[in-house]
Amino acid sequence: EAGVAQSPRYKIIEKRQSVAFWCNPISGHATLYWYQQILGQGPKLLIQFQNNGVVDDSQLPKDRFSAERLKGVDSTLKIQPAKLEDSAVYLCASSLSREQYFGPGTRLTVT
Amino acid sequence: GQQVMQIPQYQHVQEGEDFTTYCNSSTTLSNIQWYKQRPGGHPVFLIQLVKSGEVKKQKRLTFQFGEAKKNSSLHITATQTTDVGTYFCAVPNAGNMLTFGGGTRLMVKP
Repeated sequence: EAGVAQSPRYKIIEKRQSVAFWCNPISGHATLYWYQQILGQGPKLLIQFQNNGVVDDSQLPKDRFSAERLKGVDSTLKIQPAKLEDSAVYLCASSLSREQYFGPGTRLTVT
Repeated sequence: GQQVMQIPQYQHVQEGEDFTTYCNSSTTLSNIQWYKQRPGGHPVFLIQLVKSGEVKKQKRLTFQFGEAKKNSSLHITATQTTDVGTYFCAVPNAGNMLTFGGGTRLMVKP
C-alpha cells in the first residue's frame, strides 16, 4: 500500500514569509497528525484531525500556524509569518488505530 | 500533558555489543509505543506494550513494560550497523495523541 505522502520535501524561506505544507495520508486512515521535529528532539504534536474535524490543536501556535483537512483526506499546514525558530522537519502521520505511519517530512529552513 | 524522560541521550557501541534505552514516566501509563528513526528518515513504529510486566521480542530486540506501568526499556542484543538510528518511546494522551520522549541516538562502530 502507498505510504503517507508529503510535499515539498525541502523549503527555504526568509523570516516573515509564509509557507504551506501538504499531506496525503494512507487511504482509509481517518486520523491525521501534524508534528514538528526540531533537530535533536523528538516529534512534537501540533494538531490531530479525525476525518475533517480537529481533535486537539492545543500545541498549535495559532497566531501563526493554521491547518485544515478538507473532505477528510488531504491536509495542509500553513505558517504565516515564519520565524527563525520554526526551522524544523514537519512530519505528517496517519493511523487507523494504534500505529502511526509517518510521511518523509518537509524540512523547513527559515533564514 | 504527559511527560516522559528517555535515557541515555546518546550511546556509542562497538558492533556486537548490547544496547539498552530506558523510558520513564511519573504517572501510570495505559500503554507505550516504541519508534525507530534512521538518520535522515522518519519515525517507524516498532511495537506497543499494554500489559504490566509485558515482555515482547522482535529478533534481537526485547521490549519490556514495567510492573507499575511507569517505565519501559528497549534492549538490542549484539548490535549491528543496521541498528543505527534514534529510538523513541511515545506515550498517549487522550485521543491517542502521542507525546514522544527525547530519544536515544544509537551509533554503532563497525
